[in-house]
Amino acid sequence: DAEITQSPRHKITETGRQVTLACHQTWNHNNMFWYRQDLGHGLRLIHYSYGVQDTNKGEVSDGYSVSRSNTEDLPLTLESAASSQTSVYFCASAPSGSGANVLTFGAGSRLTVL
Amino acid sequence: GDSVTQMEGPVTLSEEAFLTINCTYTATGYPSLFWYVQYPGEGLQLLLKATKADDKGSNKGFEATYRKETTSFHLEKGSVQVSDSAVYFCALSDRNSGGYQKVTFGTGTKLQVIP
Repeated sequence: DAEITQSPRHKITETGRQVTLACHQTWNHNNMFWYRQDLGHGLRLIHYSYGVQDTNKGEVSDGYSVSRSNTEDLPLTLESAASSQTSVYFCASAPSGSGANVLTFGAGSRLTVL
Repeated sequence: GDSVTQMEGPVTLSEEAFLTINCTYTATGYPSLFWYVQYPGEGLQLLLKATKADDKGSNKGFEATYRKETTSFHLEKGSVQVSDSAVYFCALSDRNSGGYQKVTFGTGTKLQVIP
């Protein structure tokens, strides 16, 4: 069965360290997204990609970067982790065309920055 | 820009009670509307959707009707179960300036059903 996998599921890091959260999907979806979930804010879009070599900034992109070298993967990198980036991160994917507005989510990665 | 407003939680109900979670939206175009559900420790999953005015989405006993005149998409269920305890997100999708679908989420409403 197709799936979308995030790793690690839980990570604790220190302020200033670089952190990469992995997202891998086997749906063959062109569109991939990273969200963060915080109490009182719901889901906020960090970065998104509509295909290989395409990346775009979302509403809360400062301090984060992504790269899309193939269809399956969209890793999210925190260049220098800050305590404000403690959150639960969700990767999602969607096909192009008529199903492009229905997102399939991973199980999430809980990041704690000390 | 587009936005989604949903009622504050948590909502606590007894088993078999009637559920309503309110959701209203603001959009410049003609959005599609969605409800997603997040069970504890999991990612969001699509519960139901509606793509045009007066459409009713339904799934697992939940229903929501796309009301353009009131810009609303309220989630209802006639008889909730303990297993319905979760966080519910209202969302809309609309085309951005580049012609791609952009999805905007509400802040989520936590539902707790007690036996």
